[in-house]
Amino acid sequence: SQQGEEDPQALSIQEGENATMNCSYKTSINNLQWYRQNSGRGLVHLILIRSNEREKHSGRLRVTLDTSKKSSSLLITASRAADTASYFCATDFTSGNTPLVFGKGTRLSVIA
Amino acid sequence: GAGVSQSPRYKVAKRGQDVALRCDPISGHVSLFWYQQALGQGPEFLTYFQNEAQLDKSGLPSDRFFAERPEGSVSTLKIQRTQQEDSAVYLCASSLSPGGTGAGGLAGGGSNTDTQYFGPGTRLTVL
Repeated sequence: SQQGEEDPQALSIQEGENATMNCSYKTSINNLQWYRQNSGRGLVHLILIRSNEREKHSGRLRVTLDTSKKSSSLLITASRAADTASYFCATDFTSGNTPLVFGKGTRLSVIA
Repeated sequence: GAGVSQSPRYKVAKRGQDVALRCDPISGHVSLFWYQQALGQGPEFLTYFQNEAQLDKSGLPSDRFFAERPEGSVSTLKIQRTQQEDSAVYLCASSLSPGGTGAGGLAGGGSNTDTQYFGPGTRLTVL
């Protein structure tokens, strides 16, 4: 079963606009991460936020985490056509080596 | 350096055939994970190795699925008597340490020795 649920399932925006994707999860986590997957390719890690962090930035990416609501958001600013991909959140539950639990993903289309 | 590689990239099997999928992790990586990704879904955990020891196989969907990593490096996922519902992309990931919490770190967002690096996957189609 899948832990996270991304929202929306699909998002279409114009180049230059910001894209916001949300993720909700069910149980307590250790870390939450966001990944990108281009069609036919493997997963690329974007950013990791720990359970004791509330916000993190990396380049054009901004991630927030609200553990009280069991939710996270990924904001991509000034989107580019190359950002077109599926975006997944993934959680792990304990420190040390645990498998990642992924959501179903948000399909982002950035139109040039 | 070389990342995680998987072979074959594509596999078409007739229902009932056995298949073997190979994963070459990054050299020196202790941990290796297999995930299954159905069309339009997120990856789901299958099994996990620490060196040659299979520490968790709770995600394997049936006893037709078997994974091994005999020398603590290359791993093979074998599916016996394939069924149509086995059609999916099979992803392999490896991490340096026994603590794996994420992958890649292109954006540099918190990657560390626990990072899981994913291969390109093997797309299995069972007819």
